[in-house]
Amino acid sequence: EAGVAQSPRYKIIEKRQSVAFWCNPISGHATLYWYQQILGQGPKLLIQFQNNGVVDDSQLPKDRFSAERLKGVDSTLKIQPAKLEDSAVYLCASSLSGDQETQYFGPGTRLLVL
Amino acid sequence: AQKITQTQPGMFVQEKEAVTLDCTYDTSDQSYGLFWYKQPSSGEMIFLIYQGSYDEQNATEGRYSLNFQKARKSANLVISASQLGDSAMYFCAMREGFTVGFKTIFGAGTRLFVKA
Repeated sequence: EAGVAQSPRYKIIEKRQSVAFWCNPISGHATLYWYQQILGQGPKLLIQFQNNGVVDDSQLPKDRFSAERLKGVDSTLKIQPAKLEDSAVYLCASSLSGDQETQYFGPGTRLLVL
Repeated sequence: AQKITQTQPGMFVQEKEAVTLDCTYDTSDQSYGLFWYKQPSSGEMIFLIYQGSYDEQNATEGRYSLNFQKARKSANLVISASQLGDSAMYFCAMREGFTVGFKTIFGAGTRLFVKA
């Protein structure tokens, strides 16, 4: 069974530029999560989708971050415009359902904003 | 207030010995789940073990076991027979509730170093 796929693996941009990350969850997983992990910290949930609907985006900085999962499968996370403090690893995870089911993570995208 | 507390920023263990990584949590919910993940230097979060709040027995998965003490709100991870490949960051996480919409909260992590 293929795992969670993410691209790109690394990205370097200058502040005020835009960037987009892509995630393809494990086949059949209804729930998809985007996390931000700043160096030295644990992951912080940005947004959670159940199929193509948003379940929780309370910690998503909506003035600059957006995410979509149009067909209930893969998802994109966009930052526009990027700030220095957005430098982090962006992790995508998926689970079979939104309850206690285990989340399985992708390899992450390392973003550096200069 | 911190929901998940991991008090050990770093831990050393000798190869083949056992090690305990501490985790305490804070919740007023009766229904919750506790997870441990391993994050090697490659960055991917690897699921290790899960304990539900209603599970009466401690969870075990191979060399991993979870020492669940509900009254003390602790969920320590025990790794037996440590291997060099166990060197990584370890995160404790809690999911409050068992329905859609409850987020999973991660601790700050413990970095484990296994010495040869």
